Amino acid sequence: DTGVSQDPRHKITKRGQNVTFRCDPISEHNRLYWYRQTLGQGPEFLTYFQNEAQLEKSRLLSDRFSAERPKGSFSTLEIQRTEQGDSAMYLCASSRTPNEQFFGPGTRLTVL
Amino acid sequence: QQQVKQSPQSLIVQKGGISIINCAYENTAFDYFPWYQQFPGKGPALLIAIRPDVSEKKEGRFTISFNKSAKQFSLHIMDSQPGDSATYFCAPAKSFGNEKLTFGTGTRLTIIP
Repeated sequence: DTGVSQDPRHKITKRGQNVTFRCDPISEHNRLYWYRQTLGQGPEFLTYFQNEAQLEKSRLLSDRFSAERPKGSFSTLEIQRTEQGDSAMYLCASSRTPNEQFFGPGTRLTVL
Repeated sequence: QQQVKQSPQSLIVQKGGISIINCAYENTAFDYFPWYQQFPGKGPALLIAIRPDVSEKKEGRFTISFNKSAKQFSLHIMDSQPGDSATYFCAPAKSFGNEKLTFGTGTRLTIIP
């Protein structure tokens, strides 16, 4: 257990529904990252926060995706109007120093 | 993702043997070279990492070898154990600006008794 927690661990939803995931980083970590991992692939970067500021978003993050990190603590990732192609493991990572990222257990999303 | 290539895709090694996984990258701006270990249903866990000012780093049974001119680095697992059976990812990154990890496609390692 790295100390990064994610909730829920599993989410099954119907196409077109909205879903929201939560990540609680290690408390002293000011950097927070979201990645997406599909079956048999490595994780792909989605977005990055330093404190409450969202500093970069991947082109993978379409307009249906939004992420927030109010007060620089926990973060939420929302997907609106889910599509079957959104089915994946959504991973959150945090770090105190550049690069040394600690990952949570992930949220597995299944869109029916 | 094309800019980071791992080999082999899968590897079977006998218990006690040496497991070797290779990673090739294209982006010369990368200056942080980690290996992550992932078990099924879990998030990736940082195993070992190296910076380009050294060519080798050893931590217990795990060693990273780094070849800057060839833009390659490798993971060596000595005395491989069944508990090492997992998927391994290289994930080079830059230390400044966006420090996102760029993961390779992964190597599934199986250690047989």
